[in-house]
Amino acid sequence: EAGVTQFPSHSVIEKGQTVTLRCDPISGHDNLYWYRRVMGKEIKFLLHFVKESKQDESGMPNNRFLAERTGGTYSTLKVQPAELEDSGVYFCASSLTYSSEQYFGPGTRLTVT
Amino acid sequence: KQEVTQIPAALSVPEGENLVLNCSFTDSAIYNLQWFRQDPGKGLTSLLLIQSSQREQTSGRLNASLDKSSGRSTLYIAASQPGDSATYLCAGRFEDQAGTALIFGKGTTLSVSS
Repeated sequence: EAGVTQFPSHSVIEKGQTVTLRCDPISGHDNLYWYRRVMGKEIKFLLHFVKESKQDESGMPNNRFLAERTGGTYSTLKVQPAELEDSGVYFCASSLTYSSEQYFGPGTRLTVT
Repeated sequence: KQEVTQIPAALSVPEGENLVLNCSFTDSAIYNLQWFRQDPGKGLTSLLLIQSSQREQTSGRLNASLDKSSGRSTLYIAASQPGDSATYLCAGRFEDQAGTALIFGKGTTLSVSS
Protein backbone atom coordinates (compact mmCIF):
# COMPACT_ATOMS: atom_id res chain seq x y z
CA GLU A 1 0.00 0.00 0.00
CA ALA A 2 1.39 3.38 -0.98
CA GLY A 3 1.99 5.89 1.77
CA VAL A 4 1.31 9.60 1.78
CA THR A 5 3.13 11.29 -1.08
CA GLN A 6 4.00 14.95 -1.54
CA PHE A 7 5.21 16.94 -4.50
CA PRO A 8 7.58 18.64 -4.98
CA SER A 9 10.15 17.49 -2.47
CA HIS A 10 11.89 20.84 -2.59
CA SER A 11 10.92 24.25 -3.97
CA VAL A 12 12.97 27.43 -4.12
CA ILE A 13 11.08 30.58 -5.07
CA GLU A 14 11.54 34.32 -4.78
CA LYS A 15 9.56 36.51 -2.45
CA GLY A 16 6.30 37.53 -4.08
CA GLN A 17 6.01 34.44 -6.26
CA THR A 18 3.38 31.73 -5.99
CA VAL A 19 3.95 28.10 -5.07
CA THR A 20 1.53 25.18 -5.00
CA LEU A 21 2.25 22.08 -2.93
CA ARG A 22 0.46 18.83 -3.53
CA CYS A 23 -0.40 15.95 -1.21
CA ASP A 24 -1.81 12.54 -2.08
CA PRO A 25 -3.12 10.77 1.02
CA ILE A 26 -3.33 7.06 1.60
CA SER A 27 -6.19 5.67 -0.46
CA GLY A 28 -9.41 5.55 1.55
CA HIS A 29 -8.29 8.04 4.19
CA ASP A 30 -10.98 10.69 4.53
CA ASN A 31 -8.95 12.81 6.95
CA LEU A 32 -6.12 14.90 5.53
CA TYR A 33 -3.96 17.34 7.50
CA TRP A 34 -1.37 19.96 6.64
CA TYR A 35 1.41 20.87 9.10
CA ARG A 36 4.60 22.87 8.80
CA ARG A 37 7.84 23.31 10.63
CA VAL A 38 9.80 26.53 10.39
CA MET A 39 13.48 26.57 11.34
CA GLY A 40 14.11 25.74 14.98
CA LYS A 41 10.45 25.44 15.90
CA GLU A 42 8.15 22.51 16.53
CA ILE A 43 5.82 21.14 13.89
CA LYS A 44 2.58 23.12 13.85
CA PHE A 45 -0.86 22.34 12.51
CA LEU A 46 -2.28 24.28 9.59
CA LEU A 47 -5.60 22.66 8.69
CA HIS A 48 -7.69 19.51 8.53
CA PHE A 49 -9.96 18.21 5.76
CA VAL A 50 -12.63 15.59 6.12
CA LYS A 51 -13.20 14.46 2.58
CA GLU A 52 -13.51 17.73 0.64
CA SER A 53 -14.65 19.85 3.59
CA LYS A 54 -12.41 21.99 5.79
CA GLN A 55 -12.98 20.66 9.31
CA ASP A 56 -10.52 22.97 11.03
CA GLU A 57 -8.38 25.71 9.55
CA SER A 58 -7.44 27.41 12.80
CA GLY A 59 -3.73 27.02 12.12
CA MET A 60 -3.62 28.80 8.77
CA PRO A 61 -1.34 31.80 9.32
CA ASN A 62 -3.04 34.30 7.00
CA ASN A 63 -5.02 34.66 3.80
CA ARG A 64 -1.96 34.17 1.62
CA PHE A 65 -2.44 30.45 2.21
CA LEU A 66 -5.19 28.59 0.36
CA ALA A 67 -5.85 24.89 0.71
CA GLU A 68 -8.18 22.83 -1.43
CA ARG A 69 -9.24 19.22 -1.64
CA THR A 70 -11.51 18.97 -4.62
CA GLY A 71 -13.26 15.60 -4.87
CA GLY A 72 -11.95 14.54 -1.51
CA THR A 73 -8.81 12.91 -2.86
CA TYR A 74 -5.55 14.84 -3.22
CA SER A 75 -5.04 18.26 -1.69
CA THR A 76 -3.13 21.37 -2.72
CA LEU A 77 -1.73 24.15 -0.59
CA LYS A 78 -1.06 27.40 -2.41
CA VAL A 79 1.01 30.23 -1.02
CA GLN A 80 0.45 33.52 -2.84
CA PRO A 81 2.41 35.75 -2.61
CA ALA A 82 5.19 33.98 -0.73
CA GLU A 83 7.09 35.79 2.02
CA LEU A 84 10.48 35.00 3.55
CA GLU A 85 8.87 33.72 6.77
CA ASP A 86 6.99 31.06 4.81
CA SER A 87 10.20 29.08 4.42
CA GLY A 88 10.09 25.72 6.14
CA VAL A 89 9.04 22.12 5.67
CA TYR A 90 5.38 21.48 4.87
CA PHE A 91 4.07 18.08 5.88
CA CYS A 92 0.87 16.38 4.88
CA ALA A 93 -0.71 13.56 6.88
CA SER A 94 -3.77 11.37 6.53
CA SER A 95 -5.80 9.13 8.79
CA LEU A 96 -8.69 6.74 8.37
CA THR A 97 -10.78 8.29 11.14
CA TYR A 98 -10.52 11.36 13.31
CA SER A 99 -9.05 9.45 16.24
CA SER A 100 -6.82 7.00 14.41
CA GLU A 101 -3.11 7.09 13.69
CA GLN A 102 -1.88 9.86 11.41
CA TYR A 103 0.54 8.88 8.66
CA PHE A 104 2.88 11.55 7.40
CA GLY A 105 4.38 12.22 4.00
CA PRO A 106 8.06 13.05 3.41
CA GLY A 107 7.38 16.78 3.37
CA THR A 108 8.07 19.62 0.94
CA ARG A 109 10.96 21.89 1.82
CA LEU A 110 10.04 25.43 0.76
CA THR A 111 12.73 28.08 0.55
CA VAL A 112 11.68 31.67 -0.14
CA THR A 113 14.58 33.96 -1.09
CA LYS B 1 -3.12 26.47 25.90
CA GLN B 2 -1.82 22.92 25.49
CA GLU B 3 1.92 22.43 25.26
CA VAL B 4 4.06 19.36 24.71
CA THR B 5 7.64 19.30 25.98
CA GLN B 6 10.44 16.84 25.30
CA ILE B 7 13.56 16.72 27.45
CA PRO B 8 16.40 16.25 26.76
CA ALA B 9 16.76 17.78 23.31
CA ALA B 10 19.60 15.36 22.54
CA LEU B 11 20.80 12.05 23.95
CA SER B 12 23.84 9.88 23.19
CA VAL B 13 24.11 6.28 24.34
CA PRO B 14 26.30 3.26 23.53
CA GLU B 15 24.84 0.36 21.59
CA GLY B 16 22.93 -2.15 23.67
CA GLU B 17 21.77 0.26 26.31
CA ASN B 18 18.11 0.46 27.32
CA LEU B 19 16.84 4.03 27.30
CA VAL B 20 13.80 6.16 28.03
CA LEU B 21 12.63 9.25 26.14
CA ASN B 22 10.35 11.63 27.96
CA CYS B 23 7.34 13.64 26.84
CA SER B 24 5.27 15.88 29.10
CA PHE B 25 2.05 17.76 28.42
CA THR B 26 0.24 20.51 30.24
CA ASP B 27 -3.36 19.33 29.85
CA SER B 28 -4.43 16.05 31.46
CA ALA B 29 -7.51 15.93 29.21
CA ILE B 30 -5.54 14.18 26.51
CA TYR B 31 -7.40 12.26 23.81
CA ASN B 32 -4.48 10.30 22.44
CA LEU B 33 -0.71 10.55 22.05
CA GLN B 34 1.42 9.45 19.13
CA TRP B 35 5.18 8.80 18.99
CA PHE B 36 7.06 9.36 15.73
CA ARG B 37 10.55 8.85 14.43
CA GLN B 38 12.18 11.20 11.92
CA ASP B 39 15.37 10.44 10.05
CA PRO B 40 17.37 13.37 8.63
CA GLY B 41 15.69 14.83 5.55
CA LYS B 42 12.83 12.38 5.76
CA GLY B 43 9.22 12.44 6.84
CA LEU B 44 7.74 11.24 10.12
CA THR B 45 7.29 7.53 10.72
CA SER B 46 4.55 6.64 13.19
CA LEU B 47 5.81 4.33 15.93
CA LEU B 48 2.99 3.99 18.44
CA LEU B 49 -0.42 5.51 19.16
CA ILE B 50 -1.81 5.42 22.69
CA GLN B 51 -5.45 6.22 23.30
CA SER B 52 -6.38 7.94 26.58
CA SER B 53 -8.03 4.73 27.82
CA GLN B 54 -4.76 2.81 27.43
CA ARG B 55 -1.73 2.89 29.73
CA GLU B 56 0.83 1.47 27.32
CA GLN B 57 1.50 0.12 23.86
CA THR B 58 4.27 -2.15 22.65
CA SER B 59 5.84 -2.73 19.25
CA GLY B 60 8.96 -4.87 19.07
CA ARG B 61 11.69 -3.25 21.17
CA LEU B 62 9.55 -0.16 21.76
CA ASN B 63 7.17 0.39 24.66
CA ALA B 64 5.24 3.62 25.17
CA SER B 65 3.36 4.52 28.32
CA LEU B 66 0.81 7.22 29.06
CA ASP B 67 0.05 8.69 32.50
CA LYS B 68 -2.71 11.27 32.19
CA SER B 69 -2.69 12.31 35.83
CA SER B 70 0.98 13.26 35.80
CA GLY B 71 0.92 14.60 32.24
CA ARG B 72 3.69 12.28 31.05
CA SER B 73 4.43 9.77 28.36
CA THR B 74 7.62 7.75 27.99
CA LEU B 75 9.08 5.81 25.09
CA TYR B 76 11.25 2.92 26.22
CA ILE B 77 13.72 1.51 23.70
CA ALA B 78 15.26 -1.82 24.64
CA ALA B 79 18.71 -2.93 23.54
CA SER B 80 19.40 0.17 21.43
CA GLN B 81 21.09 -0.18 18.04
CA PRO B 82 22.89 2.34 15.79
CA GLY B 83 19.90 2.13 13.45
CA ASP B 84 17.75 3.65 16.21
CA SER B 85 19.61 6.95 15.76
CA ALA B 86 16.99 9.52 14.74
CA THR B 87 14.84 12.31 16.15
CA TYR B 88 11.89 11.09 18.19
CA LEU B 89 8.79 13.26 18.40
CA CYS B 90 5.72 12.97 20.57
CA ALA B 91 2.43 14.64 19.69
CA GLY B 92 -0.82 14.84 21.62
CA ARG B 93 -4.42 15.46 20.71
CA PHE B 94 -6.46 17.00 23.53
CA GLU B 95 -10.14 16.62 24.38
CA ASP B 96 -10.94 20.20 25.12
CA GLN B 97 -9.00 21.94 22.39
CA ALA B 98 -10.97 23.90 19.88
CA GLY B 99 -9.41 22.26 16.88
CA THR B 100 -8.39 18.83 15.70
CA ALA B 101 -4.64 19.22 15.59
CA LEU B 102 -1.81 17.12 16.88
CA ILE B 103 0.35 19.30 19.13
CA PHE B 104 4.02 18.42 18.78
CA GLY B 105 7.03 18.61 21.04
CA LYS B 106 10.35 19.73 19.57
CA GLY B 107 11.77 16.23 19.70
CA THR B 108 14.71 14.36 21.21
CA THR B 109 17.61 13.56 18.88
CA LEU B 110 19.03 10.17 19.76
CA SER B 111 22.49 9.00 18.77
CA VAL B 112 23.44 5.36 19.37
CA SER B 113 27.14 4.61 18.95
CA SER B 114 28.53 1.22 18.00
